[in-house]
Amino acid sequence: SAVISQKPSRDICQRGTSLTIQCQVDSQVTMMFWYRQQPGQSLTLIATANQGSEATYESGFVIDKFPISRPNLTFSTLTVSNMSPEDSSIYLCSGHYNEQFFGPGTRLTVL
Amino acid sequence: DAKTTQPPSMDCAEGRAANLPCNHSTISGNEYVYWYRQIHSQGPQYIIHGLKNNETNEMASLIITEDRKSSTLILPHATLRDTAVYYCIVRPDNYGQNFVFGPGTRLSVLP
Repeated sequence: SAVISQKPSRDICQRGTSLTIQCQVDSQVTMMFWYRQQPGQSLTLIATANQGSEATYESGFVIDKFPISRPNLTFSTLTVSNMSPEDSSIYLCSGHYNEQFFGPGTRLTVL
Repeated sequence: DAKTTQPPSMDCAEGRAANLPCNHSTISGNEYVYWYRQIHSQGPQYIIHGLKNNETNEMASLIITEDRKSSTLILPHATLRDTAVYYCIVRPDNYGQNFVFGPGTRLSVLP
Protein backbone atom coordinates (compact mmCIF):
# COMPACT_ATOMS: atom_id res chain seq x y z
CA SER A 1 0.00 0.00 0.00
CA ALA A 2 1.01 3.63 -0.36
CA VAL A 3 2.53 5.75 2.39
CA ILE A 4 1.44 9.24 3.43
CA SER A 5 3.53 11.71 5.37
CA GLN A 6 2.28 14.91 6.96
CA LYS A 7 4.05 18.04 8.11
CA PRO A 8 4.10 19.30 10.76
CA SER A 9 3.36 16.37 13.04
CA ARG A 10 2.21 18.79 15.72
CA ASP A 11 2.06 22.52 16.36
CA ILE A 12 0.93 25.00 18.96
CA CYS A 13 -0.49 28.19 17.48
CA GLN A 14 -1.89 31.47 18.67
CA ARG A 15 -5.50 32.49 18.19
CA GLY A 16 -6.08 34.39 14.95
CA THR A 17 -3.15 32.90 13.06
CA SER A 18 -3.18 30.33 10.23
CA LEU A 19 -1.41 27.02 9.79
CA THR A 20 -0.80 25.12 6.57
CA ILE A 21 -0.53 21.33 6.81
CA GLN A 22 1.27 19.46 4.06
CA CYS A 23 0.40 15.96 2.88
CA GLN A 24 2.78 13.97 0.67
CA VAL A 25 1.95 10.58 -0.87
CA ASP A 26 4.56 8.20 -2.26
CA SER A 27 2.23 7.14 -5.09
CA GLN A 28 -0.05 9.01 -7.45
CA VAL A 29 -3.62 9.12 -6.21
CA THR A 30 -6.56 10.78 -7.91
CA MET A 31 -8.54 11.65 -4.81
CA MET A 32 -7.33 12.82 -1.44
CA PHE A 33 -9.38 13.55 1.65
CA TRP A 34 -8.89 15.74 4.69
CA TYR A 35 -10.40 14.72 8.04
CA ARG A 36 -10.61 16.30 11.45
CA GLN A 37 -10.58 14.34 14.68
CA GLN A 38 -11.51 16.36 17.73
CA PRO A 39 -10.30 15.18 21.14
CA GLY A 40 -11.89 11.87 22.08
CA GLN A 41 -14.02 11.83 18.94
CA SER A 42 -14.14 9.91 15.68
CA LEU A 43 -13.03 11.23 12.30
CA THR A 44 -15.10 13.81 10.41
CA LEU A 45 -14.54 14.50 6.72
CA ILE A 46 -13.67 18.12 5.94
CA ALA A 47 -13.29 17.96 2.17
CA THR A 48 -12.36 15.89 -0.86
CA ALA A 49 -9.51 17.19 -2.99
CA ASN A 50 -9.10 16.29 -6.66
CA GLN A 51 -6.13 17.34 -8.70
CA GLY A 52 -7.02 20.14 -11.06
CA SER A 53 -10.37 21.12 -9.54
CA GLU A 54 -11.80 22.88 -6.52
CA ALA A 55 -12.11 20.86 -3.35
CA THR A 56 -15.57 19.65 -2.35
CA TYR A 57 -16.44 20.60 1.22
CA GLU A 58 -18.73 18.77 3.61
CA SER A 59 -21.56 20.47 5.44
CA GLY A 60 -20.20 22.68 8.19
CA PHE A 61 -16.83 23.30 6.53
CA VAL A 62 -16.12 26.25 4.23
CA ILE A 63 -13.32 27.15 1.89
CA ASP A 64 -12.53 30.45 3.60
CA LYS A 65 -11.78 28.64 6.83
CA PHE A 66 -10.12 25.52 5.37
CA PRO A 67 -8.60 26.36 1.97
CA ILE A 68 -7.12 23.34 0.23
CA SER A 69 -4.61 23.06 -2.58
CA ARG A 70 -4.00 20.02 -4.76
CA PRO A 71 -1.28 20.97 -7.26
CA ASN A 72 -0.43 17.42 -8.37
CA LEU A 73 -1.28 13.75 -7.82
CA THR A 74 1.04 13.26 -4.84
CA PHE A 75 0.62 16.42 -2.77
CA SER A 76 -2.04 18.47 -1.01
CA THR A 77 -2.21 21.17 1.63
CA LEU A 78 -4.89 22.14 4.12
CA THR A 79 -4.81 25.56 5.75
CA VAL A 80 -6.62 26.21 9.01
CA SER A 81 -7.31 29.94 8.91
CA ASN A 82 -7.97 32.49 11.63
CA MET A 83 -7.66 29.80 14.27
CA SER A 84 -9.54 29.65 17.54
CA PRO A 85 -9.19 27.16 20.41
CA GLU A 86 -12.12 25.22 18.92
CA ASP A 87 -9.86 24.28 16.00
CA SER A 88 -7.63 22.26 18.31
CA SER A 89 -7.81 18.81 16.75
CA ILE A 90 -5.90 16.19 14.85
CA TYR A 91 -6.03 16.78 11.11
CA LEU A 92 -5.57 13.71 8.90
CA CYS A 93 -4.88 13.37 5.23
CA SER A 94 -6.09 10.31 3.31
CA GLY A 95 -5.76 8.94 -0.19
CA HIS A 96 -7.18 6.06 -2.19
CA TYR A 97 -4.69 3.53 -3.60
CA ASN A 98 -6.13 0.00 -3.74
CA GLU A 99 -7.68 0.80 -0.41
CA GLN A 100 -8.06 4.05 1.50
CA PHE A 101 -5.04 4.82 3.62
CA PHE A 102 -4.27 7.57 6.09
CA GLY A 103 -1.41 9.76 7.15
CA PRO A 104 -0.21 9.92 10.75
CA GLY A 105 -2.07 13.16 11.43
CA THR A 106 -1.15 16.67 12.55
CA ARG A 107 -1.94 17.48 16.15
CA LEU A 108 -2.91 21.15 16.39
CA THR A 109 -3.32 23.07 19.64
CA VAL A 110 -4.63 26.62 19.49
CA LEU A 111 -4.08 28.85 22.51
CA ASP B 1 -24.50 9.41 9.97
CA ALA B 2 -22.63 6.13 10.26
CA LYS B 3 -24.62 3.12 9.11
CA THR B 4 -23.09 0.75 11.64
CA THR B 5 -23.51 -0.02 15.33
CA GLN B 6 -20.63 -1.28 17.46
CA PRO B 7 -20.17 -1.79 21.19
CA PRO B 8 -18.24 1.15 22.64
CA SER B 9 -15.62 -0.99 24.34
CA MET B 10 -14.39 -4.56 24.78
CA ASP B 11 -11.65 -6.33 26.69
CA CYS B 12 -9.70 -9.35 25.53
CA ALA B 13 -7.00 -11.42 27.19
CA GLU B 14 -3.64 -11.49 25.46
CA GLY B 15 -3.27 -14.57 23.27
CA ARG B 16 -6.98 -15.13 23.02
CA ALA B 17 -9.16 -14.44 19.99
CA ALA B 18 -10.80 -11.02 19.91
CA ASN B 19 -14.24 -11.05 18.30
CA LEU B 20 -15.54 -7.58 17.45
CA PRO B 21 -19.18 -7.41 16.34
CA CYS B 22 -20.78 -4.89 14.01
CA ASN B 23 -24.42 -4.41 13.07
CA HIS B 24 -25.25 -2.96 9.66
CA SER B 25 -28.90 -3.86 9.20
CA THR B 26 -29.51 -1.25 6.48
CA ILE B 27 -26.61 -2.32 4.27
CA SER B 28 -27.29 -2.14 0.53
CA GLY B 29 -26.45 -4.81 -1.99
CA ASN B 30 -23.49 -2.91 -3.41
CA GLU B 31 -21.97 -1.91 -0.08
CA TYR B 32 -18.87 -3.55 1.32
CA VAL B 33 -17.98 -3.95 4.97
CA TYR B 34 -14.62 -2.39 5.85
CA TRP B 35 -12.66 -2.58 9.07
CA TYR B 36 -10.04 -0.08 10.13
CA ARG B 37 -8.28 0.43 13.42
CA GLN B 38 -6.65 3.43 15.01
CA ILE B 39 -3.88 2.90 17.48
CA HIS B 40 -3.39 5.81 19.85
CA SER B 41 -1.85 8.89 18.18
CA GLN B 42 -1.73 7.26 14.74
CA GLY B 43 -3.84 7.47 11.59
CA PRO B 44 -6.42 4.74 10.89
CA GLN B 45 -5.00 1.52 9.45
CA TYR B 46 -6.82 -0.69 6.95
CA ILE B 47 -7.49 -4.22 8.23
CA ILE B 48 -9.83 -6.06 5.88
CA HIS B 49 -12.98 -5.72 3.82
CA GLY B 50 -15.59 -7.98 2.26
CA LEU B 51 -18.90 -8.07 0.41
CA LYS B 52 -20.62 -11.31 1.40
CA ASN B 53 -18.04 -14.05 1.59
CA ASN B 54 -15.86 -14.52 4.62
CA GLU B 55 -12.40 -13.06 4.19
CA THR B 56 -9.06 -13.73 5.84
CA ASN B 57 -5.70 -12.02 5.60
CA GLU B 58 -2.54 -11.88 7.67
CA MET B 59 -4.12 -9.54 10.19
CA ALA B 60 -7.65 -10.82 10.74
CA SER B 61 -10.72 -12.70 9.56
CA LEU B 62 -14.03 -11.15 8.61
CA ILE B 63 -17.20 -13.16 9.06
CA ILE B 64 -20.31 -11.73 7.39
CA THR B 65 -23.72 -13.23 8.13
CA GLU B 66 -25.71 -14.67 5.25
CA ASP B 67 -28.24 -11.82 5.37
CA ARG B 68 -25.30 -9.36 5.54
CA LYS B 69 -26.90 -7.46 8.40
CA SER B 70 -24.00 -8.05 10.73
CA SER B 71 -20.37 -9.05 10.74
CA THR B 72 -17.58 -10.01 13.12
CA LEU B 73 -13.92 -9.11 12.93
CA ILE B 74 -11.72 -11.78 14.45
CA LEU B 75 -8.17 -11.18 15.63
CA PRO B 76 -7.10 -14.81 16.19
CA HIS B 77 -4.38 -14.25 18.79
CA ALA B 78 -4.65 -10.78 20.25
CA THR B 79 -1.49 -9.06 21.45
CA LEU B 80 -1.02 -5.91 23.51
CA ARG B 81 -0.24 -4.05 20.27
CA ASP B 82 -3.77 -4.76 19.06
CA THR B 83 -5.14 -2.34 21.66
CA ALA B 84 -6.88 0.28 19.51
CA VAL B 85 -10.21 1.71 18.38
CA TYR B 86 -11.74 -0.52 15.70
CA TYR B 87 -14.06 1.01 13.11
CA CYS B 88 -16.61 -0.93 11.07
CA ILE B 89 -17.70 0.99 7.97
CA VAL B 90 -20.06 0.15 5.13
CA ARG B 91 -19.47 1.78 1.81
CA PRO B 92 -19.91 1.13 -1.92
CA ASP B 93 -16.66 0.01 -3.45
CA ASN B 94 -16.66 2.98 -5.77
CA TYR B 95 -13.36 4.64 -6.39
CA GLY B 96 -13.12 7.85 -4.44
CA GLN B 97 -15.98 7.32 -2.04
CA ASN B 98 -14.99 8.55 1.37
CA PHE B 99 -15.50 6.69 4.63
CA VAL B 100 -18.01 7.74 7.28
CA PHE B 101 -16.52 6.88 10.65
CA GLY B 102 -18.70 6.04 13.63
CA PRO B 103 -17.42 5.99 17.22
CA GLY B 104 -15.97 2.47 16.83
CA THR B 105 -15.09 -0.09 19.50
CA ARG B 106 -12.24 0.55 21.88
CA LEU B 107 -10.51 -2.83 22.29
CA SER B 108 -8.24 -3.27 25.28
CA VAL B 109 -5.98 -6.32 25.20
CA LEU B 110 -5.09 -7.22 28.75
CA PRO B 111 -1.92 -9.06 29.84
